[in-house]
Amino acid sequence: DAGITQSPRHKVTETGTPVTLRCHQTENHRYMYWYRQDPGHGLRLIHYSYGVKDTDKGEVSDGYSVSRSKTEDFLLTLESATSSQTSVYFCAISERSARTEAFFGQGTRLTVV
Amino acid sequence: KNEVEQSPQNLTAQEGEFITINCSYSVGISALHWLQQHPGGGIVSLFMLSSGKKKHGRLIATINIQEKHSSLHITASHPRDSAVYICAVGRGTGNQFYFGTGTSLTVIP
Repeated sequence: DAGITQSPRHKVTETGTPVTLRCHQTENHRYMYWYRQDPGHGLRLIHYSYGVKDTDKGEVSDGYSVSRSKTEDFLLTLESATSSQTSVYFCAISERSARTEAFFGQGTRLTVV
Repeated sequence: KNEVEQSPQNLTAQEGEFITINCSYSVGISALHWLQQHPGGGIVSLFMLSSGKKKHGRLIATINIQEKHSSLHITASHPRDSAVYICAVGRGTGNQFYFGTGTSLTVIP
């Protein structure tokens, strides 16, 4: 199995608080992605990174920011959590973008109350 | 309109049946991926293909580039195959994956 770990696995937070999710990989893959998965929508891209300090927005990036200061870590921050951000968040990695196999973390279930 | 369409959305089969899940896409692609997600579980890559056919155990994936269509077949289905199967594509030289909404498969003993 690819070495990719998400933390925390579960979190309950209050509206208006900042939240940071962490994705850690041991595969030295260049590309890292953050997705959210909601019923009826499938996986939707929030942000992705194509190298250290190199990131780009996805289709649902509003209210989220990311940082990648090391190859192995990709952080997703909800600046001020809202109930609409209640979701399951998945991190994925790939060696050479969508032309190579993707490996997914186990997911983080975030509930904003 | 979603660039990746899957059918059917839901599928129930008896154990032992041959199952086919379809994926159609509307853009030029660099690769097509089939993923599996068990209830409450993580997402696992089953296949990545850009042409032809691949086989792994009871699972077979095919792709027709000209028709922009891929199929995932499961032979001799088993209750442990019950999961959501997701089709995803990488577009041309792009960096992103584009996902279908998934096919929920239930195999009844």
